[in-house]
Amino acid sequence: EIQLQESGPGLVKPSQSLSLTCSVTGYTITSGYDWSWIRKFPGNKMEWMGYISYSGSTNYNPSLKSRISITRDTSKNQFFLQLNSVTTEDTATYYCARALLGAFAYWGQGTLVTVSS
Amino acid sequence: DIQMTQSPASLSASLGETVSIECLASEGISNDLAWYQQKSGKSPQLLIYAASRLQDGVPSRFSGSGSGTRYSLKISGMQPEDEADYFCQQSYKYPWTFGGGTKLELK
Repeated sequence: EIQLQESGPGLVKPSQSLSLTCSVTGYTITSGYDWSWIRKFPGNKMEWMGYISYSGSTNYNPSLKSRISITRDTSKNQFFLQLNSVTTEDTATYYCARALLGAFAYWGQGTLVTVSS
Repeated sequence: DIQMTQSPASLSASLGETVSIECLASEGISNDLAWYQQKSGKSPQLLIYAASRLQDGVPSRFSGSGSGTRYSLKISGMQPEDEADYFCQQSYKYPWTFGGGTKLELK
């Protein structure tokens, strides 16, 4: 059974970088699919942030394009999110997820990241 | 970006009642629409993809329909375990976007 799990700091200071890891078990991320990061803000708004494909190509939400980077470590079957120059508005629950035909069938449990000094 | 306007924002339903939630896209999305259920403290669960295809393991009381810019999720017979947040998501055009969510409570 495929499982995704996010990990990383729960507290980041303003202007610093947010870095999260998604560890995938039960499926090799180079075998197929797009591997996304999604966040849910307080108040419930959801935002798709971007993905890294099984081939390593990336696609980012233009609203984040200058601040976001999604990379991977195929030897560890992990992919990563880096978001630079964070502000309090980046406080959210961050999810990693796998997409097929545009729908996210598998999600991690989510990790709350608070941006605060 | 394609805007997804979801309604209602909240609703309350009695046991066994049929419930409908709607999403209106700012432009046609050619059935590239998914519906999710999210219970408190849990990650979202895919219910419907491609507007009307039921995800494996999802009860048949959930159904999706629509075309063009208007889509709906129907729950035929509200159950206690259906109390959750629901939201839609389009994948017709990047960036993929979500509706604002609907909070469904058991009356």
